[in-house]
Amino acid sequence: QVQLQESGPGLVKPSETLSLTCSVSGGSISSYYWNWIRQSPGKGLEWIAYMYYSGTTNYNPSLKSRVTISVDPSKNQVSLTLRSVTAADTAVYYCARRAAAGRNFDHWGQGTLVTVSS
Amino acid sequence: QSVLTQPPSVSGAPGQRVTISCSGSSSNLGAGYDAHWYQQLPGTAPKLLIYANSKRPSGVPDRFSGSKSGTSASLAITGLQAEDEADYYCQSFDSTLSGSHVVFGGGTKVTVL
Repeated sequence: QVQLQESGPGLVKPSETLSLTCSVSGGSISSYYWNWIRQSPGKGLEWIAYMYYSGTTNYNPSLKSRVTISVDPSKNQVSLTLRSVTAADTAVYYCARRAAAGRNFDHWGQGTLVTVSS
Repeated sequence: QSVLTQPPSVSGAPGQRVTISCSGSSSNLGAGYDAHWYQQLPGTAPKLLIYANSKRPSGVPDRFSGSKSGTSASLAITGLQAEDEADYYCQSFDSTLSGSHVVFGGGTKVTVL
């Protein structure tokens, strides 16, 4: 059974860079799209970005200028970097898998809460 | 303002049937992109409930069903149970000048009376 586990700092200062890692176990990163999705407190889901294991990327236009997603097949990890954070970036960040054939997210991590505050 | 529009809340008594709508446009559901639905229980990550408009992953009770027509999709829960109290989100893709991107509805809170 595939499992996804997000990790990263729980607190980031305004204007700094947020870096998160998603560790994938029980399966390979190959042949899937790897996504980051966030949920601000009490709000809905917001897709951030995806990366296909071969390197193709796609970013939410509203975040594209500040986001970088990467995949390390050797470590079975997916990473997210979000630059110049503000309080509006406070959210639970989820890693999610999307099969190449489908356009839905069939596996999710438990999420990690990131608070942006000085 | 979500690209896909859902009602903020719906409610029903145990055993009743409730439906949740997901309204899109010609650039997403109307363009042929499928609708997918997720259930998010309090304090947990979303879980895939319905994919490709009407298909249920293994383990999802057949009380949950989905449909899509034109620019709208809907999720129905029949025989509502207390454990169905959760937030539900629809998801699809949207085509823009910058490419196609994932979009979610704003979410619907289901309350079991």
